[in-house]
This record gives sequence, C-alpha cells and structure tokens, in this order.
Amino acid sequence: AQSVTQLDSQVPVFEEAPVELRCNYSSSVSVYLFWYVQYPNQGLQLLLKYLSGSTLVKGINGFEAEFNKSQTSFHLRKPSVHISDTAEYFCAVSTLFGNEKLTFGTGTRLTIIP
Amino acid sequence: NAGVTQTPKFRVLKTGQSMTLLCAQDMNHEYMYWYRQDPGMGLRLIHYSVGEGTTAKGEVPDGYNVSRLKKQNFLLGLESAAPSQTSVYFCASSFGAAPTSNQPQHFGDGTRLSIL
Repeated sequence: AQSVTQLDSQVPVFEEAPVELRCNYSSSVSVYLFWYVQYPNQGLQLLLKYLSGSTLVKGINGFEAEFNKSQTSFHLRKPSVHISDTAEYFCAVSTLFGNEKLTFGTGTRLTIIP
Repeated sequence: NAGVTQTPKFRVLKTGQSMTLLCAQDMNHEYMYWYRQDPGMGLRLIHYSVGEGTTAKGEVPDGYNVSRLKKQNFLLGLESAAPSQTSVYFCASSFGAAPTSNQPQHFGDGTRLSIL
C-alpha cells in the first residue's frame, strides 16, 4: 500500500517570500502524484499533477512541483506568495494498479503574513 | 456548471439517529467517492463507486453504507450515528481512473456533520 507524509502541519510565510511545502511518499510500485488546495469552507481543487515525463510540473496560481524518484519526494514550491494563497494544501498519491483511489497526506496549512 | 453538489451542507444528529448524505454530479462521471476529513488526518476514503450499480469499500468503511442507483448520484448512509462519525464529509467524482484520462477528481464543498 502507498502512503504520503507531509512533514509540516503549518507553514507561516511572509507575503512575497518563496515557499516550499514538503511531501514524501512510499510505494512499492510506480506512482502518480497530486497537489490539491483547500480554501476555507470549500472542497479541494487540483493544483497540479505528475503522471509521467518531465519531473518539473507547473500548475495553477504560479505553483510548481518536482518529482524526485530517488528521494521519493514531490515538494510544492512558489517563488512569491500572496495573501490569497492562504489555504490548506494536500499531497496525494495513486498507483498504476488501483489508480482509482487517492491516498492523501495530512495536509499543510499555509499562512501568509502581510 | 454545478459540478459536484452535496446536500445538506450542515447537520446535527443525536447518537443512534440515521441519515443519508446526497452527492450529485452533472459531469457524466463514472467514478464517485466519499471521504471524511478530520483534523490532523487529511482525507480518508470511506467508499467509492466505479460505475452505476457498483460500490466498493475504502479505507474506513465501517458504520457507513452507500448506494449508486443512478450514475449521477452517490448516497452515503449512517444507519446509527456515533460521536466518532463527527466529521466533514466530501464527495468527489472523476471521469475515469486511468492516468491517461487526464481527469482529476472534482470535489464538492463538503457536509459538516456533528453527532451529539
């Protein structure tokens, strides 16, 4: 079975500073990786996904993530954050077999400080 | 577009009561899912369906039942509610499961359920 670890439960960042949200996964088979964002009192929205190909994936709202197979990581980055990026971010994984199911991490709450 | 609609948005129940949460999607998606979200635990899959008339257990299915009688609807039932089922419940749907389908899961806005 696969699992996801988000190492930071909360990350405070000053506005216009860069941010990195960390995600590590564990799986015995090939994986597909996702980052979702959840704004207060809303459902989850897909930020970006890695299926295959280039290990650097660009998503919406200026976010990007890099798949590192050797380190089993899929960290999310943004070079300059805005107040509107305040939200909870979830890393998720699915596998080639049983890929109808997503396994989520516990989430990282990103707080932007003005 | 409505997308994924969950009904109700809020509900308070007493222990032992029963209720049904409704999820409706208008995107003609085959796959539908029910998750619960608890503080510090992320989202955990309760049950899912890969097509009309089918259901399957997820990670935390105990205490819940589901039905998918129509393609657009996925119902989650609590037969005898317990305080441990206090949570935020999310429904999601997707066109397919294959990665090449390039279709993510679309989520509803959640149902906040409190069991007293």
